Amino acid sequence: QLVESGGGLVKPGESLRLSCAASGFTASHAWVNWVRQAPGKGLEWVGRIRSKADGGTTDYAAPVKGRFTISRDDSKNMWYLQMNSLKTEDSDIYYCATGWGHMGVWGQGTTVTVSS
Amino acid sequence: DIVMTQSPDSLAVSLGERATINCKSSQTVLYSSNNKYSIAWYQQKPGQPPKLLVSWASTRESGVPDRFSGSGSGTDFTLTISSLQAEDVAVYYCQQYYSTPWTFGQGTKVEI
Repeated sequence: QLVESGGGLVKPGESLRLSCAASGFTASHAWVNWVRQAPGKGLEWVGRIRSKADGGTTDYAAPVKGRFTISRDDSKNMWYLQMNSLKTEDSDIYYCATGWGHMGVWGQGTTVTVSS
Repeated sequence: DIVMTQSPDSLAVSLGERATINCKSSQTVLYSSNNKYSIAWYQQKPGQPPKLLVSWASTRESGVPDRFSGSGSGTDFTLTISSLQAEDVAVYYCQQYYSTPWTFGQGTKVEI
């Protein structure tokens, strides 16, 4: 399973780091996506990181490219979403989910609120 | 970006009846390596994360009841619930994973 943490209330322009912890499977083999969802709204893919074996590189959606960074620490079975220069429109529930394309295992999500 | 358009936005179906949700992609999503369509379907219940039901347009995930089935080709895809149960009340999303950014349909709310 996956468990996200690190959400909270921040002001516009501030930073926040979300964590995604894996248990019950070998994290080093996993590709991980971050997906966000405004309350009552649809799903928006944020980005993904490949497994180390597949290069460990990242892809991002246009609205977050240059502001958000996904990383991984396989020794801790953890992935991270570093969010900088946060905007009010980044206020969402953030999920991590495994899979290179379709996403089979999801965390419960962590809520980020950006407000002055 | 590939735009995914679902229809209808919501539908009400009687218990035991069929529910059909449509999803159209703005361009091809046929993955040449396996000649399958890069389409997934998810179910999301209130307060829960999405749950993967179907991948590759028609491959049902392990543990998903067989009343759920995915079909389609070209740019038109369908999720069918053959006999709606009370526990199927949820929002359903299609997703393409042919090219990044992965994109989702806007969701279809299924009610009794």
